[in-house]
Amino acid sequence: EVQLVESGGGLVQPGGSLRLSCAASGFTFSDYWMHWVRQPPGQGLMWVSRSNTEGTYTIYADSVKGRFTISRDNAKNTLYLQMNSLRAEDTAVYYCARGVFSSESTAPLGSWGQGTLVTVSS
Amino acid sequence: SYVLTQPPSVSVAPGKTASITCAGVNIGSKSVHWYQQRPGQVPVMVLYYTSDRPSGIPERFSGSYSDTTATLTISKVEAGDEADYYCQVWDADSAHFVFGGGTKVTVL
Repeated sequence: EVQLVESGGGLVQPGGSLRLSCAASGFTFSDYWMHWVRQPPGQGLMWVSRSNTEGTYTIYADSVKGRFTISRDNAKNTLYLQMNSLRAEDTAVYYCARGVFSSESTAPLGSWGQGTLVTVSS
Repeated sequence: SYVLTQPPSVSVAPGKTASITCAGVNIGSKSVHWYQQRPGQVPVMVLYYTSDRPSGIPERFSGSYSDTTATLTISKVEAGDEADYYCQVWDADSAHFVFGGGTKVTVL
C-alpha cells in the first residue's frame, strides 16, 4: 500500500524558515516524480513544486520560486520542501503527492499524504 | 499563466445528474484530471486523462471535453458525492501543474 507521511509543519514567524519532510513507503520511491501541493484554510488546491525521479530537475510555482526548494533522498525514501522567507500567504496545509505512473513527468497525482499544516504568523 | 475556471458551486438532488465544468483556453488539447475532496479529507483522483477512472471509482463518474471546456459528470448522485471537485492540467508552456478553483457539490 502506498503511504506518504508528511511532517515538519508548525507555527513560524514571517521571514522564517521551515523544512517539510514526506516519508514514502509501499512503492519504489526512486521511480516516481514527486510533488508538493498546498491548500490555504478554506481555499482551493495550489500546486507548489515537483521533482524528477533523481532530484536533478525541479520546478516551482511562481509564488514560491526563489524561496522554496524541493529535494529528495532516494536512499531514505524521503521528499523534502525547504521553505525560506515565509509569508503569511504561505499559510496552508502542505500535501506530498505522487504521480500515478512511474517515470512519467506529467502524470496526474494518484496518491496523496495526509498533509501538514504550516502557519506563518507573528 | 494558464487558468482553469470552475463554477464555485453546483447543487443537485439525490439520484439526479451533476455536471461540473472546467474552462480553459484550448483545454481540448490537454489531458484533464479530476479530484474529489470530501470535507476534512485528502484529495482523491476520480478521473484521469479526461475520462479514465482509477480502480474503485464507480462508473457513475465520467468525463468529456470540447475545445474550451472539460466536464465531470456524476450520474445518480448520492449523499456521499458531496465534496469539492477540482480539475487539473499540465501546462506545457510553463511546465507547471494547474488546478481549477474548485466546485462545491451540494446534494440537496
